Formats: sequence, C-alpha cells, structure tokens
Amino acid sequence: SQQGEEDPQALSIQEGENATMNCSYKTSINNLQWYRQNSGRGLVHLILIRSNEREKHSGRLRVTLDTSKKSSSLLITASRAADTASYFCATVGDTGANSKLTFGKGITLSVRP
Amino acid sequence: ETGVTQTPRHLVMGMTNKKSLKCEQHLGHNAMYWYKQSAKKPLELMFVYNFKEQTENNSVPSRFSPECPNSSHLFLHLHTLQPEDSALYLCASSQAVRGGSDTQYFGPGTRLTVL
Repeated sequence: SQQGEEDPQALSIQEGENATMNCSYKTSINNLQWYRQNSGRGLVHLILIRSNEREKHSGRLRVTLDTSKKSSSLLITASRAADTASYFCATVGDTGANSKLTFGKGITLSVRP
Repeated sequence: ETGVTQTPRHLVMGMTNKKSLKCEQHLGHNAMYWYKQSAKKPLELMFVYNFKEQTENNSVPSRFSPECPNSSHLFLHLHTLQPEDSALYLCASSQAVRGGSDTQYFGPGTRLTVL
C-alpha cells in the first residue's frame, strides 16, 4: 500500500511555536497533498506538492518532499490556537493501480493559547 | 464553506431501518466520492463517480448503495446496517478523476450511529 503514515500521532505546542509534522509513504508518487480537519468537520485541502517539487509555501505553511526518502513534512510557523485540528497527508501514486488519493491516519495538533 | 453540502449532519438509525445520505456540490465538478471515517483508522474510500458513472467500488458491502443522478448530487442509501458501520461519512468532489491529481473538496460529513 502507498498509504501515508504521519508522525507523530499527536502534537501539543504553545501558541507562537512552530509545528512540524511528518509523513512517510511506501511507493512512488505523482503528488502528495496535506489536508486539515477540524473536529467533526470535513477535510480542507491545504497544499499539493508534485513529485518533481522539493518545497512549497502557502502563507504560514511550508511543505517539503524528499522522494528519495519517500517522506514529506508540513511546517506551520507561528502557530495559533485556531490551528488546532487533525492534519492528514494523502498520496497519489504514479501508476494506474495506485492513482487514487490515499490518506494516512492523521496527526492531532493541539495549540495551547 | 467548501461548496459541498451534506444532509443530514447527524443520523441515528436502527439496524432494520432504511435511510439515505445526500451530498450536493456547487462547484461545477464532475467527480464525486464517498468516504468512511472511523476512529483511529485512515479515511476509507468507498465509491467514486466520474461524469455520473461509477468508476470505483472499493469492496463495499451491498448494504451501502450509492446513486449519482447527475454530476452535482450523490446519495448513499443505507439498509440493514450493522453497529460497526457507525462512522463519519464524508462526501467529496473534484474537477474530474484524473489519476487522483485533482484537489478534493469535502463536505462537513454525516455522523451516523447505528444502534
């Protein structure tokens, strides 16, 4: 399975600190996406990084991709209490059989005011 | 709001009931998806529709029956469910199913409890 696995499973930080979340996957990918889910709500797309990209930024978010290590990281800088949510990485494989979006179990981030 | 709505938001049903979940997207997308989210498990893809045609059924039991009358609406008909079917059911849409590369937009989900 190419399913992404996030690490750590849970993260608790103080407001203003940076939060780093990691994702590892098993097979080669076309792209990797990060999503956020507030409690009891649907997922919201944050950022997509393609296999030929190494880093992308969006506001306070920074995503890196290392295809040689089959891993990605999501960095949230200057965290806020409103960033408290679950974060999921999802991968899209580069072959027909693995071309659907496959999610990991998620990371629970708590940002203390 | 993501442009994808789901009703009802909460549903409690007995194992002998028949109910339906509804999803509507206002984004002009051509692909729609049903996912099941259970505690401590990865999001499970159930069904995919592309231009109203079902393109994926991820070995879902027949007690779940999807219907896609047009590209904007998706239903999930439920009958004789089991308690382990209790979960958050999420609907999503995207421009089209093109190798999964498109960003998916999710609805808020229906929290289903089967007694």
